[in-house]
Amino acid sequence: QVQLQQSGPGLVRPSQTLSLTCAISGDSVSNNGATWNWIRQSPSRGLEWLGRTYYRKSRWLTDYAVSFRGRIIISPDTSRNLVSLHLNYVTPDDTAVYYCARDPPMFWSAFDFWGQGTKVTVSS
Amino acid sequence: QSALTQPASVSGSPGQSITISCTGTSSDVGYQNQVSWYQHFPGKVPKLIIYEVTNRPSGVSDRFSGSRSGNTASLTISGLQTEDEAHYYCCSYTTGSTLVFGGGTKVTVL
Repeated sequence: QVQLQQSGPGLVRPSQTLSLTCAISGDSVSNNGATWNWIRQSPSRGLEWLGRTYYRKSRWLTDYAVSFRGRIIISPDTSRNLVSLHLNYVTPDDTAVYYCARDPPMFWSAFDFWGQGTKVTVSS
Repeated sequence: QSALTQPASVSGSPGQSITISCTGTSSDVGYQNQVSWYQHFPGKVPKLIIYEVTNRPSGVSDRFSGSRSGNTASLTISGLQTEDEAHYYCCSYTTGSTLVFGGGTKVTVL
């Protein structure tokens, strides 16, 4: 059974960097068929896809939503089997519940396992 | 990439069928068979209920069904039950190798 365990601070100051990790058990971040995604949810915008990382043909790839390009980094840590999210220059508009989620090899673009969610507030 | 368009709310009586639409473009919903649907209760983790437009994961009730016509995907809930009251989101892969969610639909059981 796949489990995703998120960790990271619940409060971030404006203009600082939001950093979260997602520890994977029951699967490998290097799974050559899965993608590892970050998604957030807020009352004003609902669910919002931020980006993903995945391993294909011996190299790591990332895709980011257009609106976050330039201030987002999603990266794998193969030694600890986890995925990290770094979102720079946050504003109160980035206040949301952040989730990591797996898109498995057997599906196309669907998230079958999710982390427990991390409520992040951006405030001074 | 703009969010896919969903109605803000849909309601129905117990036992009825309701349909939630998800409208995009030929660059996302109409592009490939990569549309999924999620059920989300407040304070809980979203749950996958439909993948690849029409498929249900194991364990999901057959009262949930998905379809697509052109650039609009739809989720139908048959035999509506009070436990179906939740938010529902569609999601699609795009030609830009990204994914995009719909704005979400609140389902109310009258």
